[in-house]
Amino acid sequence: DTGVSQDPRHKITKRGQNVTFRCDPISEHNRLYWYRQTLGQGPEFLTYFQNEAQLEKSRLLSDRFSAERPKGSFSTLEIQRTEQGDSAMYLCASSQGVGLTGSPLHFGNGTRLTVT
Amino acid sequence: AQSVTQLDSHVSVSEGTPVLLRCNYSSSYSPSLFWYVQHPNKGLQLLLKYTSAATLVKGINGFEAEFKKSETSFHLTKPSAHMSDAAEYFCVVSDPGTGRRALTFGSGTRLQVQP
Repeated sequence: DTGVSQDPRHKITKRGQNVTFRCDPISEHNRLYWYRQTLGQGPEFLTYFQNEAQLEKSRLLSDRFSAERPKGSFSTLEIQRTEQGDSAMYLCASSQGVGLTGSPLHFGNGTRLTVT
Repeated sequence: AQSVTQLDSHVSVSEGTPVLLRCNYSSSYSPSLFWYVQHPNKGLQLLLKYTSAATLVKGINGFEAEFKKSETSFHLTKPSAHMSDAAEYFCVVSDPGTGRRALTFGSGTRLQVQP
């Protein structure tokens, strides 16, 4: 078990550019989550996958944000036309679950995005 | 709807003294409750979880929390603080009965431990 891996650790981009982050969950986990954390705040839920299906999306996930998990393993989060307000730590987490039950979430170390 | 309120944004204790981090929750159904810890430049780590079994939950590193439904509280305690406990702590609620999988995090409590 190598844990949840996120790449890159840091990303600096200019306003208006597109960025893509990758998350590799724990291999046997079927659930994958994306959260966003700004300075001094707790993580905020963005979206959730069960295998390859995206089952929940937060209102925070504007149409500039898109997430995929094409084969039910790794996931990507893309932000188009970045804005300074997108600057945050983007966290990925995974868990194993069926129905209403599931294991606790295991978090990666995050990708810190800075939009200049 | 589910929500979490962490009553203190900062708590400072002396090494060897007790720790109390307060959390109140709001939930429509029977919640699952968690405490996570975040050390600087490290990922979130699960300390403990409550899922409707025993109301007193023991976690890692000597931490424990008590679920009090009448007070809608889930306070985190430790009898004796250690310097390595200095970190950000998050109280988290989940409402599986709603069908939603999203966890709702509190805004966090920063614990400082003075020598």
